[in-house]
Amino acid sequence: KNQVEQSPQSLIILEGKNCTLQCNYTVSPFSNLRWYKQDTGRGPVSLTIMTFSENTKSNGRYTATLDADTKQSSLHITASQLSDSASYICVVRGWATSGTYKYIFGTGTRLKVLA
Amino acid sequence: EAQVTQNPRYLITVTGKKLTVTCSQNMNHEYMSWYRQDPGLGLRQIYYSMNVEVTDKGDVPEGYKVSRKEKRNFPLILESPSPNQTSLYFCASIGTSPGELFFGEGSRLTVL
Repeated sequence: KNQVEQSPQSLIILEGKNCTLQCNYTVSPFSNLRWYKQDTGRGPVSLTIMTFSENTKSNGRYTATLDADTKQSSLHITASQLSDSASYICVVRGWATSGTYKYIFGTGTRLKVLA
Repeated sequence: EAQVTQNPRYLITVTGKKLTVTCSQNMNHEYMSWYRQDPGLGLRQIYYSMNVEVTDKGDVPEGYKVSRKEKRNFPLILESPSPNQTSLYFCASIGTSPGELFFGEGSRLTVL
């Protein structure tokens, strides 16, 4: 069964600290993996995309890694800011039996950054 | 500015009263999709459309209808809403490869 699991479910850190969010997936065949940031009450916004051949990709203070062999990805946030408080969703694109692509969503990690 | 616009953003209705949530995108994307988001369950696909006049069921289509008469619009119809359809709904359009999802701001629906 295609699944995306994220950990931890929630996380509280102090401003300025680093943190790492995890995503494990069992989606096959795999197309790509994205991390989205969702502020409370808003739509998710893409942070990074990882394809099969990419190991690491950065977007400012966000760095995503992908290990396609172990089917794991992580999102590392450096020098956290209050504005990083949000839910972070891991989304894997695979292929449905109909031949179209399909997006499988994790349940997200809710991050709270405290001053 | 690239946008996916949903309306209404907030709605409280009663069981059985038909409602439509509109979705419009200005990016000329062919692929559009509706999701619902519930606590602890993540985003689940309701319906999707690969192009005009082409729609198909997602994972949780029961109680919903959609139509795609124009490329830019993809309304979600609840013919007879029930309380278990109380949720946060997102419309998304999907760009060409590598297929980034662009989400609307969400529509919070409460069915009493």
